[in-house]
Amino acid sequence: NAGVMQNPRHLVRRRGQEARLRCSPMKGHSHVYWYRQLPEEGLKFMVYLQKENIIDESGMPKERFSAEFPKEGPSILRIQQVVRGDSAAYFCASSPFQASSYNEQFFGPGTRLTVL
Amino acid sequence: DQQVKQNSPSLSVQEGRISILNCDYTNSMFDYFLWYKKYPAEGPTFLISISSIKDKNEDGRFTVFLNKSAKHLSLHIVPSQPGDSAVYFCAASRGTGGGADGLTFGKGTHLIIQP
Repeated sequence: NAGVMQNPRHLVRRRGQEARLRCSPMKGHSHVYWYRQLPEEGLKFMVYLQKENIIDESGMPKERFSAEFPKEGPSILRIQQVVRGDSAAYFCASSPFQASSYNEQFFGPGTRLTVL
Repeated sequence: DQQVKQNSPSLSVQEGRISILNCDYTNSMFDYFLWYKKYPAEGPTFLISISSIKDKNEDGRFTVFLNKSAKHLSLHIVPSQPGDSAVYFCAASRGTGGGADGLTFGKGTHLIIQP
């Protein structure tokens, strides 16, 4: 009965490197969301995915950021050529889908990215 | 442009008393509202939600009130307990059936329960 799992919990990268953050949704959940939290801020929506589909990426920076949720395996948030401003906590959430009702999103513990 | 606002960064309440956390929103398309609780170095934990067709939802010590005309909601915790000390986030969704939109969060209110 595992919840949403994220790894790594902490990630340190130097400027210019790539960061890969992984998220495994709760069992039975087909929707995955990524959020970013900067210090002293609320969570900001980045992207919403279903298996093999990006549904809404309106919150994603246009460059360097990409996300996928393949048919098999976890969802991946990828940040290329990281900069210091990418340092933040990145949270993944998942939800089931019921067409006629609202669904809470359940969050993972987050990945704390530090860019040196 | 903040669509969900929590104007009190922190709130201190005595143990056993009522805690009232407030949230305002500007987007009239929001029709589902949630409260999350967050401890340091952990992910947010869902507490309680309310859809726009209701004005109140209660779950144990937690009650959420929604005033659509004022675009305001509040979370009441009674009685407050030491374990309630955490950051509370208000969130809103524009989901229409399935509620599958990304959530818009406020900046949070740090609730401190004093013994």
